[in-house]
Amino acid sequence: SQTIHQWPATLVQPVGSPLSLECTVEGTSNPNLYWYRQAAGRGLQLLFYSVGIGQISSEVPQNLSASRPQDRQFILSSKKLLLSDSGFYLCAWNPGLAIHEQFFGPGTRLTVL
Amino acid sequence: TQLLEQSPQFLSIQEGENLTVYCNSSSVFSSLQWYRQEPGEGPVLLVTVVTGGEVKKLKRLTFQFGDARKDSSLHITAAQPGDTGLYLCAGAQGGSYIPTFGRGTSLIVHP
Repeated sequence: SQTIHQWPATLVQPVGSPLSLECTVEGTSNPNLYWYRQAAGRGLQLLFYSVGIGQISSEVPQNLSASRPQDRQFILSSKKLLLSDSGFYLCAWNPGLAIHEQFFGPGTRLTVL
Repeated sequence: TQLLEQSPQFLSIQEGENLTVYCNSSSVFSSLQWYRQEPGEGPVLLVTVVTGGEVKKLKRLTFQFGDARKDSSLHITAAQPGDTGLYLCAGAQGGSYIPTFGRGTSLIVHP
């Protein structure tokens, strides 16, 4: 069976510090991978998605970047965090092949002070 | 412009009541998913509907896809406190890799 991991679970960082959030998927190959940000109790904002190694598409211009160095690894980064980067970050995968269901990780709660 | 509109945004009911949540759009979707999310966790997939007019049941939850594949509803019978959470609908169009999410319906069921 497939599983998705995200770490860390929670993170408190000062403004201007760098960020690295990691997501890995097990039990599947060549998944589509996604990073979302969620405001408190509300819908999901798609930040980045990737259909393959080294292929990253950005949905929203922002202070963040993403990379996919391996097939099942997706990393969200920032060189200098802003207060507005605070939020709940979710990684998700889907099998592709016209299957639209998404499977989410447990999320990372980021607080920028 | 929000492609998928969910209503109501908030719902607070007593245990045992019935409720319906709606997900509407002016666009046609090739499939539509419903997710439930508990605080501090990732959304969990409940169901996918694909065919216009399709009805799926998951215990006390009934999901319906509109005939024109532009809308969907989620009906919960005899709600329980364990049903509390954020319910999200998401739709995908054609061969797109990108689903569109509604803003969610926050449900609280009081014992």
